[in-house]
Amino acid sequence: DAGITQSPRHKVTETGTPVTLRCHQTENHRYMYWYRQDPGHGLRLIHYSYGVKDTDKGEVSDGYSVSRSKTEDFLLTLESATSSQTSVYFCATGGFPGYGYTFGSGTRLTVV
Amino acid sequence: DQQVKQNSPSLSVQEGRISILNCDYTNSMFDYFLWYKKYPAEGPTFLISISSIKDKNEDGRFTVFLNKSAKHLSLHIVPSQPGDSAVYFCAASEGEGGSEKLVFGKGTKLTVNP
Repeated sequence: DAGITQSPRHKVTETGTPVTLRCHQTENHRYMYWYRQDPGHGLRLIHYSYGVKDTDKGEVSDGYSVSRSKTEDFLLTLESATSSQTSVYFCATGGFPGYGYTFGSGTRLTVV
Repeated sequence: DQQVKQNSPSLSVQEGRISILNCDYTNSMFDYFLWYKKYPAEGPTFLISISSIKDKNEDGRFTVFLNKSAKHLSLHIVPSQPGDSAVYFCAASEGEGGSEKLVFGKGTKLTVNP
């Protein structure tokens, strides 16, 4: 969606290194989310934010941290990347009732 | 425990026929249900939703049916087209699907053969 930009689109990193993924929105949505998509697991919530500096954990938050210093930016950090964090990461923002989220195009992260 | 289940990983249909994708849920507090479509290398896109106070919602070729007593919903695509080939995710929330957290199923890969 044109209102949500994820960067980088692709990244290969080594085990043990820190990695930060960025999500930028122009929708001025209050709510933002980070999901990961893995074969056989669908989409699973990592962390979400309900406002600037207000964040909370999702179902698979271990090994991840987030920050939101501005409405438009939501950062996902892997403090020390592991091979199990190889995945496709999607950022999403809250939309209008009944329309769920708007998703970004995803970041494909490979940890070697 | 998985709250939203899509038990069919894949479905193959002929162009022009009906596609029926199924979804079951366990949380009786869910009050909004949504379907998303996802093409490879793209983010999921919203397709259609239904409130728990309804049993049917229709949008063009897409219809979602909700059976609350059975905790089951289905997405019907009629007629199916090759461009409908994608992964379809069922999702549910305890809010209005805007600001509340969505819980997703594992997805069903639909292939529509010409």
